[in-house]
Amino acid sequence: AQSVSQHNHHVILSEAASLELGCNYSYGGTVNLFWYVQYPGQHLQLLLKYFSGDPLVKGIKGFEAEFIKSKFSFNLRKPSVQWSDTAEYFCAVAPSGTYKYIFGTGTRLKVLA
Amino acid sequence: DAGVTQSPTHLIKTRGQQVTLRCSPKSGHDTVSWYQQALGQGPQFIFQYYEEEERQRGNFPDRFSGHQFPNYSSELNVNALLLGDSALYLCASSPDGNIQYFGAGTRLSVL
Repeated sequence: AQSVSQHNHHVILSEAASLELGCNYSYGGTVNLFWYVQYPGQHLQLLLKYFSGDPLVKGIKGFEAEFIKSKFSFNLRKPSVQWSDTAEYFCAVAPSGTYKYIFGTGTRLKVLA
Repeated sequence: DAGVTQSPTHLIKTRGQQVTLRCSPKSGHDTVSWYQQALGQGPQFIFQYYEEEERQRGNFPDRFSGHQFPNYSSELNVNALLLGDSALYLCASSPDGNIQYFGAGTRLSVL
């Protein structure tokens, strides 16, 4: 069955620390990849997406992600986190030719001021 | 420009009852998807509607049904509610079926 794994369920960092959140998926074909963020009390918002081309994609608020096809991974990174990055982060995969997103279980990030 | 709006925000029902949740997509979006998010889990795809037809369905029983209206708004209906149906129900709209924009959700509690 197709699935998405987010290995870190809870992450606590101090401001200015670097962030990397892991995302792996199980699907052998072509996929579209997404990272969404949910700030406290708000709805899911798109951080960045990958459809094709350059495997290093840049999103909003200084986030970036790298697609490594051989590792079925799409890890999210930010060089220096801020207190305002405290949120829950979801990785999602959409197998090509389908319209459904398969989400990971999410990673709760807490940034200490 | 209003985003995806869902109503109601919260709902309490008892086992065996039926519920209808509503969603208005972002302006210019013609595709609506529904997801169920249980506590501590990521959203799970229920189905997607396009041109008033169910285009794709996830692994949910027939108790879950939907409808899309000519103005692209959508309803999610759940019959014979079970305790396990308690969750946050998310609606997402899309201009092309690929990038989805989510609403704030309807929190359903089944007692």
